Amino acid sequence: QVQLHESGPGLVKPSETLSLTCTVSGDSISTHFWSWIRQPAGKGLEWIGRVYNIGRSTNYNPSLKSRVTMSIDTSKNQFSLNLSSVTAADTAVYFCARGRGSSLFDYWGQGTLVTVSS
Amino acid sequence: QSALTQSASVSGSPGQSITISCTGTSSDVGHYNYVSWYQHHPGKAPKVMIYDVSNRPSGVSNRFSGSKSGNTASLTISGLQAEDEADYYCSSYTNSTTVVFGGGTKLTVL
Repeated sequence: QVQLHESGPGLVKPSETLSLTCTVSGDSISTHFWSWIRQPAGKGLEWIGRVYNIGRSTNYNPSLKSRVTMSIDTSKNQFSLNLSSVTAADTAVYFCARGRGSSLFDYWGQGTLVTVSS
Repeated sequence: QSALTQSASVSGSPGQSITISCTGTSSDVGHYNYVSWYQHHPGKAPKVMIYDVSNRPSGVSNRFSGSKSGNTASLTISGLQAEDEADYYCSSYTNSTTVVFGGGTKLTVL
């Protein structure tokens, strides 16, 4: 059974960096690709980006690309998200998900709420 | 990239069929057969119902089906049940090697 679990601070100050980690169990982080997706309150899902172990390659949402960094830690079977210079607009539930193929996300974490506020 | 366009809401009575549409462009929905549909009950993890336009993952009811014509993909739910009430999102691969979601459609079972 593949399981994903997000962890990280629930409160981040404006202009600081949001950092989240997704721990994967039941599958190797070395296979598939791994994504972060967020949902602001009352709004729809927004794809943030994905990371592959092969070549540590990444793809990011163009609207967030200048502020996003994703990485993989194979020793811990985890992948992470850093989003810099956050504002209130970055307040959202953040999900991590396993990707297969080109746009299929077949396993998701339960999501973690991150609030940007001073 | 712009979000795919979905109607904000749709409703139907138990036993009826409904269709949710998802309109993109020739750079995403119209270019690739990589459209997925997700069911999301608030507070829970989204669940994939359809992938690659019309494929159903193991365990998903055959009441759910997907199709595509041009730049528009569709999700049809037949034999509506109360448990189908949820938000539904489409997603598509794009020619920028990114993924874009639709704005979501709220399904109400009357």
